[in-house]
Amino acid sequence: QSVLTQPPSASGTPGQRVTISCSGSSSNIGSNTVNWYQQVPGTAPKLLIYDNNQRPSGVPDRFSGSKSGTSASLAISGLQSEDEADYYCAAWDDSLTGYVFGTGTKVTVL
Amino acid sequence: EVQLLESGGALVQPGGSLRLSCAASGFTFSAYAITWVRQAPGKGLEWVSTISGSGGSTFYTDSVKGRFTISRDNSKNTLFLQMNSLRAVDTAVYYCAKGGNYVYNAMDVWGQGTTVTVSS
Repeated sequence: QSVLTQPPSASGTPGQRVTISCSGSSSNIGSNTVNWYQQVPGTAPKLLIYDNNQRPSGVPDRFSGSKSGTSASLAISGLQSEDEADYYCAAWDDSLTGYVFGTGTKVTVL
Repeated sequence: EVQLLESGGALVQPGGSLRLSCAASGFTFSAYAITWVRQAPGKGLEWVSTISGSGGSTFYTDSVKGRFTISRDNSKNTLFLQMNSLRAVDTAVYYCAKGGNYVYNAMDVWGQGTTVTVSS
């Protein structure tokens, strides 16, 4: 069961800004850094943001992450058609002594 | 190029066993934690298990504790997941993913996945 809560869907037109929230608790987001993964259906997940707000090499700067307390968010600015995918937040949970993923958000480009 | 390649997925009957492998290349395997993540059909990502670089520390999600065993052979750059007493709910695509120097680090490289189907 997912302990990080995300909205099931988000959408926008090309060029718009879309934000995805991720709500956790003191044992996960409140204590550890947040990572975000992008998954195009039928393919393996890809690391999008690590350590709350860091982008791996090759990830466009249209993607940005932030964290405050027990919540985090992913923003996609200048939305493009290739951004249509599922997005998952994740963090280590000290109480569960394991990694937890968010429920996932499907982003649709209208 | 850093690569992970899973194998071993198959159709297995409930109660059966299966051993998944993940062959790594392009990085110093023993320096990094490796994780198994699964995704049931039409569902989200679920963390299954993580092993430290040395293999000395292992972590499991509650639903697989006592049934699955993660291990690694650093001399062969290979990760394993021994799955026993399989249940229908274990049906999923299983991905291996490279972590960082610490088990709580992000997973920056993923394999393509291997499919496990538990059904009679």
